[in-house]
Amino acid sequence: AQSVAQPEDQVNVAEGNPLTVKCTYSVSGNPYLFWYVQYPNRGLQFLLKYITGDNLVKGSYGFEAEFNKSQTSFHLKKPSALVSDSALYFCAVRVGDGTYKYIFGTGTRLKVLA
Amino acid sequence: GAGVSQSPSNKVTEKGKDVELRCDPISGHTALYWYRQSLGQGLEFLIYFQGNSAPDKSGLPSDRFSAERTGGSVSTLTIQRTQQEDSAVYLCASSSMTGLGTEAFFGQGTRLTVV
Repeated sequence: AQSVAQPEDQVNVAEGNPLTVKCTYSVSGNPYLFWYVQYPNRGLQFLLKYITGDNLVKGSYGFEAEFNKSQTSFHLKKPSALVSDSALYFCAVRVGDGTYKYIFGTGTRLKVLA
Repeated sequence: GAGVSQSPSNKVTEKGKDVELRCDPISGHTALYWYRQSLGQGLEFLIYFQGNSAPDKSGLPSDRFSAERTGGSVSTLTIQRTQQEDSAVYLCASSSMTGLGTEAFFGQGTRLTVV
């Protein structure tokens, strides 16, 4: 079965430090990978995606993610965290198995400390 | 519209009552999804509509749940005889294409509380 894992329920980082939010996937076939962010009482906002090509993709608000096929990972990164980055982050995957649903991880709460 | 719109934003209902949740997708988007977000859980897929094709209902948790999409636009998710375990945030999303690399855009959700 296709699945996505976010091994950390919460990540704490000091403002100005680099941040990483981890995501690994298990799929059969080529994955299409997405990151979303959810602020309190809001829906999910799209950050970035990997389809094909360069393993490092850049997205909104200075975020980037690195696709690593051998490690089946798609970690979200930012060189310098802001307090306003504090939110819930979701990784998602789609595969070409005849379904079109997005499979989401359980989310990682990022807390950036001033 | 400017984004995916869901109504109501909050709904409190008594156990055993029926509820209807509404989703207005982004204009022109042919694909529409419903997800459920429970506390401490990820997003659980419920149902997917694409154009005039038969919907993918594989995620509906029981026959108390149903959804329809009228005219390829507005969708309604109906929960009959609500139970306390139905309490969750119900999220709707839409996307412009069926291509696997297309991202979905989410509404703000409906928070359903069954008392």
